Amino acid sequence: QVHLVQSGAEVKKPGASVKVSCQASGYTFNSYYMHWVRQAPGQGLEWMGIINPSGGSTTYAQKFQGRVTMTRDTSTSTVYMELSSLRSEDTAVYYCAKGSISIYYMDVWGKGTTVTVSS
Amino acid sequence: DIQMTQSPSSLSASVGDRVTITCRASQGISNSLAWYQQKPGQAPKLLLYAASRLESGVPSRFSGSGSGTDYTLSISSLQPEDIATYYCQHYYSTPLTFGGGTKVEIK
Repeated sequence: QVHLVQSGAEVKKPGASVKVSCQASGYTFNSYYMHWVRQAPGQGLEWMGIINPSGGSTTYAQKFQGRVTMTRDTSTSTVYMELSSLRSEDTAVYYCAKGSISIYYMDVWGKGTTVTVSS
Repeated sequence: DIQMTQSPSSLSASVGDRVTITCRASQGISNSLAWYQQKPGQAPKLLLYAASRLESGVPSRFSGSGSGTDYTLSISSLQPEDIATYYCQHYYSTPLTFGGGTKVEIK
């Protein structure tokens, strides 16, 4: 079955960058887009953007434009999300989620990676 | 951006009750709506897509309806394992946005 395995928790200082990975298995990696969604403590879900593993094209939410970079490594079926210029408000659980056949809703989610930004 | 407004933000119901959650979009979204269930400490799980299509493996007590800007998620007979927060999400255009969530508790 489909699995998305995310990297471990991170603690970063304000101004630093973080890179979270998400390794996919159980399906054809290149055939389905991958989303990144975050959830601040006690808050709702926030969509950050999407990457097409086939060509590497990306679409980012305007809020994160200039600070987020999504990439992929097809040889290892892994997608990455790097967020720079971290501030305390970026403290959240970051999820990767596989896009469905219709691309824009998410049918399988990773377990999440906790990123804590603290001085 | 399309805003998604969910109501209520929380509810308490008894086991066996019918529960209904509503989601209103700030513009028409042509049934491009998904519903997710998130249990404490877990990742969200897809329940329905295209407003009313049940994801494989999801119990049939979950159903969805609606059109235009107004959509509903119903649980026909609330079970203890349904305790969770439920989110709607439109996928009519980017940016994708989620509703604020509805926390369902047992009375």
